[in-house]
Amino acid sequence: EAQVTQNPRYLITVTGKKLTVTCSQNMNHEYMSWYRQDPGLGLRQIYYSMNVEVTDKGDVPEGYKVSRKEKRNFPLILESPSPNQTSLYFCASRAPGEVLEQYFGPGTRLTVT
Amino acid sequence: GQNIDQPTEMTATEGAIVQINCTYQTSGFNGLFWYQQHAGEAPTFLSYNVLDGLEEKGRFSSFLSRSKGYSYLLLKELQMKDSASYLCAVREGYGGATNKLIFGTGTLLAVQP
Repeated sequence: EAQVTQNPRYLITVTGKKLTVTCSQNMNHEYMSWYRQDPGLGLRQIYYSMNVEVTDKGDVPEGYKVSRKEKRNFPLILESPSPNQTSLYFCASRAPGEVLEQYFGPGTRLTVT
Repeated sequence: GQNIDQPTEMTATEGAIVQINCTYQTSGFNGLFWYQQHAGEAPTFLSYNVLDGLEEKGRFSSFLSRSKGYSYLLLKELQMKDSASYLCAVREGYGGATNKLIFGTGTLLAVQP
């Protein structure tokens, strides 16, 4: 089954404790991205990657890092999480094509206390 | 600047028709997407418009006017399961491999019996 997976799905952590949210897709998609979703603000892009070893900042990259060492994986790293990073995070991927449809992962709900 | 506007909430009756509007101002235009998102779940793709006109897909249709910076999503024969948020998203740029999707804050649709 074609899918985007994220882990963990839920995480409660404390300020300053480094964490990684993993994202993996099995569709051989070149493009992957991370979004955060907050009430009243909608989905905002954090980082995206056009292909292996190619990453770029989205609209809200501060406080986040990413890496793309393999095509299927695109982890999101919070080196020193803060309470303002409490949010719902989505990973997405897509392949080149006419429709350019993005496939979203199931989401990770992160709470930083 | 970039701006996407859609109503925050709408209410409609089961079996009826509802139109959700979206206006946008972005740096270039390379397609408009509509996504459906149930509470706590990932967005799922509904439609894509890149040329002016109406795209019909079953009970859902989407319209685009590029000159007016305007789109709408039309839902017919409403069902209770259509209660969800509907996200309008514009792909910026002028073609090629541009990837940035700008999302509106979403319209929460409540379908009543």
